[in-house]
Amino acid sequence: GDSVTQTEGPVTLSEGTSLTVNCSYETKQYPTLFWYVQYPGEGPQLLFKVPKANEKGSSRGFEATYNKEATSFHLQKASVQESDSAVYYCALSDNDNNAPRFGAGTKLTVKP
Amino acid sequence: GPKVLQIPSHQIIDMGQMVTLNCDPVSNHLYFYWYKQILGQQMEFLVNFYNGKVMEKSKLFKDQFSVERPDGSYFTLKIQPTALEDSAVYFCASSSPGLGKQYFGPGTRLTVL
Repeated sequence: GDSVTQTEGPVTLSEGTSLTVNCSYETKQYPTLFWYVQYPGEGPQLLFKVPKANEKGSSRGFEATYNKEATSFHLQKASVQESDSAVYYCALSDNDNNAPRFGAGTKLTVKP
Repeated sequence: GPKVLQIPSHQIIDMGQMVTLNCDPVSNHLYFYWYKQILGQQMEFLVNFYNGKVMEKSKLFKDQFSVERPDGSYFTLKIQPTALEDSAVYFCASSSPGLGKQYFGPGTRLTVL
């Protein structure tokens, strides 16, 4: 079945440094790929999604490129801020109406 | 932006009892979902519901689980009877057809004693 594997956390960075959270996926379909962010006490929020291979998604300075050949969708940010501290989930769905399947999540802590 | 509400935020019950978790989805959304998250672990898909029917469910959606949305009211997850391993945070989500964007509620923390 469909699965997502991402960088195991936790990740601790200093403000202003760069972030990469690795995500790889397995599916027999042509999935839409997602990055979600979850803050304490809240449900996941969609950061962005990319439905097509070789396209890039971005939001709030975060970006990821849908690499079909490498089956990867790594999340990057050039300069993290303390407010970026949260859990980040990579996810995939093989259909707009099907439920996204989440990776294990990567907890990011950014220190001032 | 659009918000999904979940009631209650916390629920504590004794093992073997029945519990109903309520979700107030985004207005006009037609697809509804439940996920389970055990503390510190990943979001696990339970069920996808549309037009009064379960469209898809995972192996975590045991026979003791049921979902419904009677007459456009709350979308509910019922567990009867509950077991200790049902303790988790349950997240509801909803989406419009074809848009591929699910909106999640804040979760209901269920503790089974």
